[in-house]
Amino acid sequence: QVQLQESGPGLVKPSETLSLTCAVSGYSISSGYYWGWIRQPPGKGLEWIGTIYHSGSTYYNPSLKSRVTISVDTSKNQFSLQLSSVTAADTAVYYCARGGSGSYLQIDYWGQGTLVTVSS
Amino acid sequence: QSVLTQPPSASGTPGQRVTISCSGSSSNIGSNYVYWYQQLPGTAPKLLIYRNNERPSGVPDRFSGSKSGTSASLAISGLRSEDEADYYCAAWDDSLSGHYVFGTGTKVTVL
Repeated sequence: QVQLQESGPGLVKPSETLSLTCAVSGYSISSGYYWGWIRQPPGKGLEWIGTIYHSGSTYYNPSLKSRVTISVDTSKNQFSLQLSSVTAADTAVYYCARGGSGSYLQIDYWGQGTLVTVSS
Repeated sequence: QSVLTQPPSASGTPGQRVTISCSGSSSNIGSNYVYWYQQLPGTAPKLLIYRNNERPSGVPDRFSGSKSGTSASLAISGLRSEDEADYYCAAWDDSLSGHYVFGTGTKVTVL
C-alpha cells in the first residue's frame, strides 16, 4: 500500500521560504510516476503546484513557477517543496501526492495534508 | 484562478440522480482526459473517475463520467447521504509548457 506523509513547519513568516517534505512508503520513487504537490486554502478549492519525476524532470504551475522548487531524494524515497517569498495568500493545506503528469495523470495516492499558516 | 468551471453547488434527495458539469477549453478538456475527485469534509481528495469514464477499484458504479468537446460531466445516480462532499474535475492543460488544472469545485448536498 502506497503511503505519503507530509512534514514541515506549520507556521512560516511572510517573505520567508516555505519548506515541506513528503516521505513515501510502500513504493519506490525510482520505479516511476510523477510525484507532486497540491494545496488548498482554507474554505477554497484545490490548486496544483507541480510535480517531479525521479530523474528530476519537473512541471510547475505557471502562476507559481517563479517561486517554486520541487526536488527529489531517491535515496530517502522522498521529495520536497520549497515556496519562496510567501505571503498570507500562501496559507493552505498542502498535500503531497502521486501522479498528475506524464503518462499517468490520475492522482491516485494522497497524503493526509498539512496546514501551513503564513503569519508574523 | 481555475480554468475549469463548475457550478458551486448541486443537490438532490436520496435516490435521485445528480449531474455536475465541468467546462474547459481546447487546451485542456478538448485535447486531454478528464479526472474527477471527491473530497469528503476534513479529508484528502480521492480519485473517483479517471480517463473520462473509468472507475478505480472500489468506486461504486453509481458514479459515472462523460466528456464531449470541451466539457465533461460527473453523474451520481441513486444519491446517498455519504455522497455529500466536494467534487472537483481536473485535466492536463497543454498551454504554457503544460500543467495540471483543477475545476472550481462543486459542493453536493443530500437533502
